[in-house]
Order: sequence, then structure tokens, then C-alpha cells
Amino acid sequence: DAKTTQPTSMDCAEGRAANLPCNHSTISGNEYVYWYRQIHSQGPQYIIHGLKNNETNEMASLIITEDRKSSTLILPHATLRDTAVYYCIALYNQGGKLIFGQGTELSVKP
Amino acid sequence: EADIYQTPRYLVIGTGKKITLECSQTMGHDKMYWYQQDPGMELHLIHYSYGVNSTEKGDLSSESTVSRIRTEHFPLTLESARPSHTSQYLCASSELEAVREKLFFGSGTQLSVL
Repeated sequence: DAKTTQPTSMDCAEGRAANLPCNHSTISGNEYVYWYRQIHSQGPQYIIHGLKNNETNEMASLIITEDRKSSTLILPHATLRDTAVYYCIALYNQGGKLIFGQGTELSVKP
Repeated sequence: EADIYQTPRYLVIGTGKKITLECSQTMGHDKMYWYQQDPGMELHLIHYSYGVNSTEKGDLSSESTVSRIRTEHFPLTLESARPSHTSQYLCASSELEAVREKLFFGSGTQLSVL
């Protein structure tokens, strides 16, 4: 599974969009990009995943560059409850094991 | 809500004791995981299973062992607990749906070994 690189921490004002970047320059053609988040020592929570097309669900949007070497998770209107550590993971579907890196600690401030 | 349960939620135990952390899920998921996490640190995969009678070691060496005799049950055992085992242990099961593998996590067991 490809290694991912994320900034250690980010701040975002409440109500604004939070854009969390992730680099995965060694990703292979059949590895998906997954995003999870972990709120204060709870178990991580699935957010979204994608292969090459942009994806959107009720929680967030995922933008994947055309060369698939990087992606951005977008929380369109961040709230204080979105304060968490966000993990970007590259994974072979159904054959891999989810390995969590250090993630990005997002702080949403009033 | 995911139906995956871990017990106990908190455990304080003396050095040398044998302990088993329980993890059960009622979703019929084949794939299950154990992660270990220290405060403020990343999650480390210590064990996983593809199904009954399948167990694999993860990326972090661990003195714990696991078993998978039934689909719904994936207990983790420490034969002789040590202070270095103090950590949070998170169990997860995986839903494989089309091209998506989605993990559901339990609430975790916070283990303290004195």
C-alpha cells in the first residue's frame, strides 16, 4: 500500500471550508484513497473514499488530482465538532490492511 | 450505528496477569482488526483476520495473541501483562461492499498495567 503524507496540523475558522491535503505520489492504479477521522481517542470514523473521480457525500467532498498523486478532503462548513485527527490512507480494495499514519490534527476555532 | 462491542472499557491490572480483551460484532463481517494507540500517537495495526481460523500479525510487533474461532468474536490475549502494554486497544470490523472497505470501530479498551 502506498505511503501518504499529510501536514501535521491545521486550523480552520468555524463556518469556513476546511481543505485537508494529502500526498500519495507512489499510489498505484488500483489503490483507493480513503479518509477517516478520529475524535479524541474514540475509534476512527469512515468519511469518504475514491479512486480517480471526485466524490461527495453528506460528510465531505474528495478531490483527487488527475495524476492521482494527491487529494484534498473538503469539509464545506466546518463546525467545532469537526475538530479531530484526519487520516488519509491508500489501500488496495479488499486485499489490503488499513494502516493509519500520523494524520492531520484539524482544529476548528470559533 | 455499528454493532461492534469491546469489553472491558477500562482495565487496571497488575504485572504478570493474563488478560483477554473481548471484541464482538453482530454484522457478520469477515475481516477484523486490532489496533494499539498511545495518547496523541498514531494507531498501530497489531493483528487482523480475514475470517474464521485466519489470523495475521500486523505492522507493529506485539506480544499479544488473537484467535478467530467464530466470525463474530475476535479476542486479544496477553499471557503476562507488563507496564509497557499500557495503551488503548481498538477493535474494528470491515464491511466489504462492492469496491468499498469500510471499517467500524469499537469504543476501545484502555489498559493500564501497574
